[in-house]
Amino acid sequence: EPEVTQTPSHQVTQMGQEVILRCVPISNHLYFYWYRQILGQKVEFLVSFYNNEISEKSEIFDDQFSVERPDGSNFTLKIRSTKLEDSAMYFCASSLRGAPNTGELFFGEGSRLTVL
Amino acid sequence: DQQVKQNSPSLSVQEGRISILNCDYTNSMFDYFLWYKKYPAEGPTFLISISSIKDKNEDGRFTVFLNKSAKHLSLHIVPSQPGDSAVYFCAASGTGNTPLVFGKGTRLSVIA
Repeated sequence: EPEVTQTPSHQVTQMGQEVILRCVPISNHLYFYWYRQILGQKVEFLVSFYNNEISEKSEIFDDQFSVERPDGSNFTLKIRSTKLEDSAMYFCASSLRGAPNTGELFFGEGSRLTVL
Repeated sequence: DQQVKQNSPSLSVQEGRISILNCDYTNSMFDYFLWYKKYPAEGPTFLISISSIKDKNEDGRFTVFLNKSAKHLSLHIVPSQPGDSAVYFCAASGTGNTPLVFGKGTRLSVIA
């Protein structure tokens, strides 16, 4: 069964460092997403990406964040200068359809980011 | 601003009995609702969904009920099995280019 894969599974970094989280979405999917979950809190939407551009982003997704699909298969989330409050589990997801009938999102297993 | 609320952080149910997980939403523009299940160290996996044109959708042991006037939906699992023990997230999406909005989740423990 096709799946979304994410690397690394866990990254520890110092505050102020740049971090890149990588995702390989399901190959025939067209819509890509990043969500995050701070420990004990809800899963929060960060950004959606379609046709090589951001289609929607949340207030969390400020200038420190960027996404890219550099080679047609990988989908990356970059945090330029990490802060302590960026520590969270970051989930990549992909879907065949987009809003308003987004339907089923397929999530990766997540990348845990710990900022010290 | 919690547009999707799951007010019970946890629920314990005996194996074989019914599990009922509840979800409330505030945004009347939501028209598509989903339940995701999450095991520890894994990403959420899709379980079942319902469109606002329906009030019930059933898939095996899982049934989702939608009460639009009350802005309330529930997930029924019957009979509950120990393997159902997980965190269940309610999610909603609306018209336009709106992403999925998740609730905080309810941890279900099914006791053998």
